[in-house]
Amino acid sequence: DIVMTQSPDSLSVSLGERATINCKSSQSVLYSSNNKNYLAWYQQKPGQPPKLLISWASTRESGVPDRFSGSGSGTDFTLTISSLQAEDVAVYYCQQFLFTPRTFGQGTTVEIK
Amino acid sequence: EVQLLESGGGLVQPGGSLRLSCAASGFIFSTYAMSWVRQAPGKGLEWVSGISGSGGSTDYADSVKGRFTISRDNSKNTLYLQMNSLRAEDTAVYYCAKDLRVGSSSYSDYWGQGTLVTVSS
Repeated sequence: DIVMTQSPDSLSVSLGERATINCKSSQSVLYSSNNKNYLAWYQQKPGQPPKLLISWASTRESGVPDRFSGSGSGTDFTLTISSLQAEDVAVYYCQQFLFTPRTFGQGTTVEIK
Repeated sequence: EVQLLESGGGLVQPGGSLRLSCAASGFIFSTYAMSWVRQAPGKGLEWVSGISGSGGSTDYADSVKGRFTISRDNSKNTLYLQMNSLRAEDTAVYYCAKDLRVGSSSYSDYWGQGTLVTVSS
């Protein structure tokens, strides 16, 4: 199975500051036939189900604030929150969906400093 | 508006069985792949199983293969997960998710609120 490793496990950031979460896959999730990275980012707030933020490594879903952005290719990816808001407190997961089983990172908890 | 409502969770003894259901609305159910994803208490997310829109193609995580069966009834807009030979490590919140399929790959764009399965004597 593809192993997804996120860093750090937790992050404490001041309001308005930048938060950066890294995700590394044990194999490339870039599909050469279409040059797409099969990588998604989810946000899970306490007591809620996950919410899709970003697909294809960098495509923001409709309604997701533009302070959230995704980047990277191959095996190394980043989720950036450009200016942290109080409502962004959550656990963030990356997931590869090129290979079965689809596998998630262990999650990164984002808190307010 | 997409809505996914899971039901069927509860307390079951080790070795027992349970069937989860997920009632879907707000989209053309038969045209979308679906998945089950679980989350053990205080832990991360684990994809469990997926099924194509027609129901003709299914996939399972190794941890549940041979014990769990995913199915769907497109006439009832309902997804199922039959869970047999349950173990303590199957204890989790089980989420139903709507998938977007690209070729043979899928990712989930909407999730239900989840139903808790507790396996304990």
